[in-house]
Amino acid sequence: AQKVTQAQTEISVVEKEDVTLDCVYETRDTTYYLFWYKQPPSGELVFLIRRNSFDEQNEISGRYSWNFQKSTSSFNFTITASQVVDSAVYFCALSEARGYGNNRLAFGKGNQVVVIP
Amino acid sequence: DAGVTQSPTHLIKTRGQQVTLRCSPKSGHDTVSWYQQALGQGPQFIFQYYEEEERQRGNFPDRFSGHQFPNYSSELNVNALLLGDSALYLCASSAGPRYEQYFGPGTRLTVT
Repeated sequence: AQKVTQAQTEISVVEKEDVTLDCVYETRDTTYYLFWYKQPPSGELVFLIRRNSFDEQNEISGRYSWNFQKSTSSFNFTITASQVVDSAVYFCALSEARGYGNNRLAFGKGNQVVVIP
Repeated sequence: DAGVTQSPTHLIKTRGQQVTLRCSPKSGHDTVSWYQQALGQGPQFIFQYYEEEERQRGNFPDRFSGHQFPNYSSELNVNALLLGDSALYLCASSAGPRYEQYFGPGTRLTVT
């Protein structure tokens, strides 16, 4: 069974500080995908990033970066130089790659990020 | 290019009633998934439709049913509503084997 754990619930930072969100996952599959989604107060989930299980290369995309380590089953996400608009709930999610078509996403409980001006 | 749309935005129902929620996928997408998000929780997978058939199902009772139409739009039906069914219901669409699911704005259901 797939499981995603996000330990922190609410994280407050002062604007321009960096914020790192932790995500630990469990899966029995060797092929899977990991995601981060953002949910602003409007409620719509916004796709941020996706990594597959064969690509542990860590990357930076604008102010977002991620650290994927299979050895510890972690997929952490960092927002650099946070801005007030980054205030939202962030979800880590896992999809096991079976069969044709998209498979179910298993989400963590989310991290509420509050950026204080 | 319209994204995923859902209707209605908000809905208030009484315990025991039935409700139908609707979703139109993003243009070019043929797969629709439904998720339930209780307050303060992450979304939970309900089921997924592809080629007008339910392909996968999460741990939800049979009171939750769905349908996908030839134009790929989808409906989620919930019978015999319980107070615990109060949640944000999110629809997501995707294009075949691609794994990015694009979410709609959700329908907030309140059961009183």
